[in-house]
Amino acid sequence: NAGVMQNPRHLVRRRGQEARLRCSPMKGHSHVYWYRQLPEEGLKFMVYLQKENIIDESGMPKERFSAEFPKEGPSILRIQQVVRGDSAAYFCASSPSYGRDNLYGYTFGSGTRLTVV
Amino acid sequence: DAKTTQPNSMESNEEEPVHLPCNHSTISGTDYIHWYRQLPSQGPEYVIHGLTSNVNNRMASLAIAEDRKSSTLILHRATLRDAAVYYCILILNTDKLIFGTGTRLQVFP
Repeated sequence: NAGVMQNPRHLVRRRGQEARLRCSPMKGHSHVYWYRQLPEEGLKFMVYLQKENIIDESGMPKERFSAEFPKEGPSILRIQQVVRGDSAAYFCASSPSYGRDNLYGYTFGSGTRLTVV
Repeated sequence: DAKTTQPNSMESNEEEPVHLPCNHSTISGTDYIHWYRQLPSQGPEYVIHGLTSNVNNRMASLAIAEDRKSSTLILHRATLRDAAVYYCILILNTDKLIFGTGTRLQVFP
């Protein structure tokens, strides 16, 4: 049973380009969460999605960032017109339902490390 | 979301038990207490969680104070692979993890 799969593991973009980060949750998981970790800092919540719905996007920057979790396929975090400050590790987590009392908690992927040059 | 307070760092020797404390004096009755750890260059890993009673699993034990204002993660025999940042997190019905700064655990051979 594969865990949470994120790709690519490393992504290099020039300033002004678009970055697309993919997250395939664990089989049977319908809740997806995205987090960002800047160098030498803690993880910051960005967005919480269920299939086809954004539940909580309180941590998403107002511009250039968007997320989706379609009925079929992985969840996508999209960053338009990237800037150097977007360089960070982006982690995705999934849970089957309400993770706060799920037997195995939230399962995280290995992350995508975005570098903007 | 309720806030947690953890020491910035702790040290242990291999094979010794480690007690990682967490204060959460503003916890409410339905907040779950979750612990995660993050090894270098990896995503966070679930360790354990609980609500009111002490919990044990293959990785660790979680001791929750009777008033729930504090908890302690117990690693029974530390190994070098346990060196990580440990996060204590409270979750209410918002169902999202809000990470603090955590405790960086160093384990010495």
